[in-house]
Amino acid sequence: RKEVEQDPGPFNVPEGATVAFNCTYSNSASQSFFWYRQDCRKEPKLLMSVYSSGNEDGRFTAQLNRASQYISLLIRDSKLSDSATYLCVVNARQGFQKLVFGTGTRLLVSP
Amino acid sequence: DADVTQTPRNRITKTGKRIMLECSQTKGHDRMYWYRQDPGLGLQLIYYSFDVKDINKGEISDGYSVSRQAQAKFSLSLESAIPNQTALYFCATSDPGLAGGPDTQYFGPGTRLTVL
Repeated sequence: RKEVEQDPGPFNVPEGATVAFNCTYSNSASQSFFWYRQDCRKEPKLLMSVYSSGNEDGRFTAQLNRASQYISLLIRDSKLSDSATYLCVVNARQGFQKLVFGTGTRLLVSP
Repeated sequence: DADVTQTPRNRITKTGKRIMLECSQTKGHDRMYWYRQDPGLGLQLIYYSFDVKDINKGEISDGYSVSRQAQAKFSLSLESAIPNQTALYFCATSDPGLAGGPDTQYFGPGTRLTVL
């Protein structure tokens, strides 16, 4: 089983739609969680951290469910510019703060 | 100017050649990392360095070596390139998080390496 699993997609949605991605992780000792965004052939960039109580940043909402070991990302009012691959990233304290990256979920927002 | 730069951005080389990928950063971070990304796989950690005297192997270090020339520079070498090292390579930097919390990683633009 992969340490971090994501549905690769693509998720095809129209502008203005709400879309949600889930990600599961296998290491119950994981302590920190993130969503990174990666545009085609570009570097990953931090979108948001995921906190235990859930957190929101504009149109983006992240949730963590430790009991079921998954995190989610909700995007409201999708924009064309949201088209990208969203990487779920988990940090496990194994001597140092190693980041484990999921393979990403691709989102395509169409007019 | 970009905070994390990588050179070259694209490179095509032949099997058996030695190649060096360079990374420089102006963020003042102590921690630097090298990752590779392959289609269908997540980023995999090759090497990481917490300061100029602290270099550690990641999960896929075989066939690679690194050099931390200064706080701002971290180079990755392929001593004898082979085709399955064809990939997108990213350098990243980070600063320790507050109170032991997570540190955000900042990635360079990547180097696309093709080994024929």
